[in-house]
Amino acid sequence: DTTVKQNPRYKLARVGKPVNLICSQTMNHDTMYWYQKKPNQAPKLLLFYYDKILNREADTFEKFQSSRPNNSFCSLYIGSAGLEYSAMYLCASSSWGGSYEQYFGPGTRLTVL
Amino acid sequence: KTQVEQSPQSLVVRQGENCVLQCNYSVTPDNHLRWFKQDTGKGLVSLTVLVHENDKTSNGRYSATLDKDAKHSTLHITATLLDDTATYICVVGDRGSALGRLHFGAGTQLIVIP
Repeated sequence: DTTVKQNPRYKLARVGKPVNLICSQTMNHDTMYWYQKKPNQAPKLLLFYYDKILNREADTFEKFQSSRPNNSFCSLYIGSAGLEYSAMYLCASSSWGGSYEQYFGPGTRLTVL
Repeated sequence: KTQVEQSPQSLVVRQGENCVLQCNYSVTPDNHLRWFKQDTGKGLVSLTVLVHENDKTSNGRYSATLDKDAKHSTLHITATLLDDTATYICVVGDRGSALGRLHFGAGTQLIVIP
């Protein structure tokens, strides 16, 4: 099974409320990524986990948190959602030292009201 | 600064026609280039990956070329079908490992009409 699953597929949130998005894969990939994609813009890397090590992009460092309780799961957490967080959030996974392949999930569309 | 530029931004073709999508980039180093298809509301699906200078790949009705000297790639779709309606995204990887950075284009929106 080479699929990456994301839950939920659609999420409505109120301004100021927390948001938690979930991603899972069963390919035993050691690296998992979260991207933010807004309409007519390229996906933007937010952070990635290599094994248990979290790497967050400098310009989004304080806006997003993540946890990876085991190899298969990775979450993206927004402590206090703002209108600017409305976007599609894509999760991907890959294997260190393997091919160039990053497997992408279907995305979670977050709308903040 | 955008390092991967795709053109055209959008394209409308009739079913059965051929089309060509362009990707120009300035990413350095440019380890590999991949074309993805994204159906509305769905995830990215890899169509093909190009690695070497002057690579050419073919995957059914999709074929692609890469010119690393010119930092340019094309994706050809022959005999388009209605199901080809999607956004096509060019992605350049700067390393051949999982920790390499992927640089995404904004995509070309292809609409195939009957």
